[in-house]
Amino acid sequence: EGQLVESGGGLVQPGGSLRLSCAASGFSLSDYWMYWVRQGPGKGLEWVSRIKRDGSTTNYAVSVKGRFTISRDNAKNTVYLQMNSLTVEDTAVYYCTREGYSYAFDDWGQGILVTVSS
Amino acid sequence: QSALTQPPSASGSPGQSVTISCTGTSSDVGGYNSVSWYQQHPGKAPKLVIYEVYKRPSGVPDRFSGSKSGNTASLTVSGLQAEDEADYYCNSYAASKYVFGTGTKVTVL
Repeated sequence: EGQLVESGGGLVQPGGSLRLSCAASGFSLSDYWMYWVRQGPGKGLEWVSRIKRDGSTTNYAVSVKGRFTISRDNAKNTVYLQMNSLTVEDTAVYYCTREGYSYAFDDWGQGILVTVSS
Repeated sequence: QSALTQPPSASGSPGQSVTISCTGTSSDVGGYNSVSWYQQHPGKAPKLVIYEVYKRPSGVPDRFSGSKSGNTASLTVSGLQAEDEADYYCNSYAASKYVFGTGTKVTVL
């Protein structure tokens, strides 16, 4: 079982940008599709984005498409989420996770809080 | 993509069973055998308990079982234990996207 550790969260003003990182250890990142999932305060889980093993394919939820960009550096065993034009609705705990079973997410990070507020 | 529909709450006494439904459409739950279920305790990351409708990851007790009929998937927790009290979320693949359920809070009475 691997470990995922998110970083880069914090407080940002509406319209601002933030880049999250997810460092993987204990497994080879290049073997897995990787994902970001978020959870607003007191709310349910929301799928945000995914990226193929070699970075050639990315997909996004409608709510973030055109504003967020997922990327990866397999040599550094790290996945990123660049978030631009942030709104208060983007306030959430962001989790990094991997597709360890077919269409399912087995390992999860501890989550990182992003707060968008003026 | 609208969230899959789950009942807000479910409950049972220790040793009993509880079943949670997850209703979607033919574009998600009904269209793929790619339904998974996650257990989440307060302040913790989700934990995978079922994938591909009915399969259990290693280490998940066989008290957890899954099924699907048409556009509705179900998770059954048998022999309820105190540690099963948590929020449960379903998830389905939906043509290059994924959609989660609204979540169900399971209470062990």
